Amino acid sequence: DIQMTQSPSTLSASVGDRVTITCRASQSMSNWLAWYQHKPGKAPKLLIFKASSLESGVPSRFSGSGSGTEFTLTISSLLPDDFATYYCQQYHTSPWTFGQGTKVEIK
Amino acid sequence: QVQLVQSGAEVKKPGASVKVSCKASGYTFTSYHMHWVRQAPGQGLEWMGVINPSGGSTNYAQKFQGRVTMTRDTSTTKVYMELSSLKFDDTAVYYCARDRKVVPADHFGAMDVWGQGTTVTVSS
Repeated sequence: DIQMTQSPSTLSASVGDRVTITCRASQSMSNWLAWYQHKPGKAPKLLIFKASSLESGVPSRFSGSGSGTEFTLTISSLLPDDFATYYCQQYHTSPWTFGQGTKVEIK
Repeated sequence: QVQLVQSGAEVKKPGASVKVSCKASGYTFTSYHMHWVRQAPGQGLEWMGVINPSGGSTNYAQKFQGRVTMTRDTSTTKVYMELSSLKFDDTAVYYCARDRKVVPADHFGAMDVWGQGTTVTVSS
């Protein structure tokens, strides 16, 4: 199985901050990577697919980059609505696997 | 609009089975694979498997092989996930999620539409 490791596990930030989350894969997976936002009591929301493609309707302050084994999600300027947990997920090889999550908290 | 609506919360005893449904609407049901993902309390997201609603073929995570069965009913545009021999650590919120790539595709896609989640509690 491909193991996905996110860092940091928790991130304290303020509204307006630029935030970067890293996701590392245990083996190369081209760019078959997605990023999701998850809030308590809600369904996860797709933000980025194929490592850097913005899902329709997602604000442009979200961006993704990387390929191979190292990927990043960047939020250019945090808004109050962005405080949530973020997951990376590989869909290169079954079983699809998720990172352990990064919780973005209010500083 | 594209929507996935799941069945309601369940409480089951250890050793029992649970069957969760997911009704799709707003798109061609047989054109997109459907995944199942779960989240145990305080834990992250865990992929369980995927079904092709067109032919019914499935691909399960090794962890759930022998305990999970995913099926579909094209007449009602529903997919089902049945988990048997329930254990306490199967307590979780279970989600169905549509694959964003149209079948047939050269590769699976990310999960673009999610159901609202079904809470399954395993308790004696």
